[in-house]
Amino acid sequence: GNSVTQMEGPVTLSEEAFLTINCTYTATGYPSLFWYVQYPGEGLQLLLKATKADDKGSNKGFEATYRKETTSFHLEKGSVQVSDSAVYFCALNNYGQNFVFGPGTRLSVLP
Amino acid sequence: GAGVSQSPSNKVTEKGKDVELRCDPISGHTALYWYRQSLGQGLEFLIYFQGNSAPDKSGLPSDRFSAERTGGSVSTLTIQRTQQEDSAVYLCASRLERGGRNEQFFGPGTRLTVL
Repeated sequence: GNSVTQMEGPVTLSEEAFLTINCTYTATGYPSLFWYVQYPGEGLQLLLKATKADDKGSNKGFEATYRKETTSFHLEKGSVQVSDSAVYFCALNNYGQNFVFGPGTRLSVLP
Repeated sequence: GAGVSQSPSNKVTEKGKDVELRCDPISGHTALYWYRQSLGQGLEFLIYFQGNSAPDKSGLPSDRFSAERTGGSVSTLTIQRTQQEDSAVYLCASRLERGGRNEQFFGPGTRLTVL
């Protein structure tokens, strides 16, 4: 079946540090991959997505590249801000099937 | 508004009572999903609708949980005889269609507290 694995949190960084949150997946075929973000007290919102191998999704300074050879979709940001503190969820959708979410990674950015 | 809305935003109830949670998806979205998020946990899939039918109810935790969708739009999640372990945030999401490469759009959630 389909599954998503994320690095365990919490991740605590200082402002302007480099961020990587690892995400790997198991799926047949060619799923679409997503990163969702949940800010404190809010619902989930889409951060970025990639629909085919080697695609790079990007938004708000965050990037993730769909790597089929390593079945990964790691989230990166070059310089985090306090306002990036949130929980980040990696997810996949295999065409016509349900979404599968990772457990989430909590990021805390300190000033 | 253009987004997914849920009501109520907060619900406090006593153990044993029934509750109804409502979701208004984005207009025109045919697929609708319910999830549960317990404190500090990830998302637990409950059920999804394609139109008014629910092909996959595998995530519903017990027969106390049921959901319906009418007119291909509004959905209601009902929990009967609530238990304390039902306390969680219940999230609804809609999607333009079940297939394709498009994403889900989430509502703000209903925080349920069972005393």
